[in-house]
Amino acid sequence: DAGVIQSPRHEVTEMGQEVTLRCKPISGHNSLFWYRQTMMRGLELLIYFNNNVPIDDSGMPEDRFSAKMPNASFSTLKIQPSEPRDSAVYFCASSLGRLNTGELFFGEGSRLTVL
Amino acid sequence: GENVEQHPSTLSVQEGDSAVIKCTYSDSASNYFPWYKQELGKRPQLIIDIRSNVGEKKDQRIAVTLNKTAKHFSLHITETQPEDSAVYFCAASISNNDMRFGAGTRLTVKP
Repeated sequence: DAGVIQSPRHEVTEMGQEVTLRCKPISGHNSLFWYRQTMMRGLELLIYFNNNVPIDDSGMPEDRFSAKMPNASFSTLKIQPSEPRDSAVYFCASSLGRLNTGELFFGEGSRLTVL
Repeated sequence: GENVEQHPSTLSVQEGDSAVIKCTYSDSASNYFPWYKQELGKRPQLIIDIRSNVGEKKDQRIAVTLNKTAKHFSLHITETQPEDSAVYFCAASISNNDMRFGAGTRLTVKP
């Protein structure tokens, strides 16, 4: 398996624009996580899905952020409208959930810069 | 939800010395405690983990200890090498979901 695949790897956009980050989890994994990493706040859990269902979205900063998982092989994180403080690296991770050792497999991350 | 605190935020050691990173957690129901290593510009990767029914686990130069009563766990790296330089994150979760990370420790091993 190619691992968790995220796109784009880098995104530079202007304030107010819509940003969509994409993630393809490892095949067979039933849990998917979105994290945001910044120097100030470290790795923050934004939302996680189990069997495509959002379980906990309490980490989503505000209504400008939304996440979907329409099927087991694809998830999106959308920011609309984007703001400079959203600049961060966004990681997607997947795991087998309760059925395994618990290891999270991270994607390479999407580095977002909002000007 | 779970709250994980990690100390120190930065740690500098001489090559060959030991390094210890400590974490505390708030939710007594947490039962899985992994440690991740993140090299500069790379993704976090699991290096060792421990479950709540075990007090200590060792893998070559790294070991993790867990004190459930005190709700703290620690990472120990012995005979440190320059390639151990990275940011280390502890985490805690209940049943492998809702993984919450500590703020990270930047370890620098000086040759």
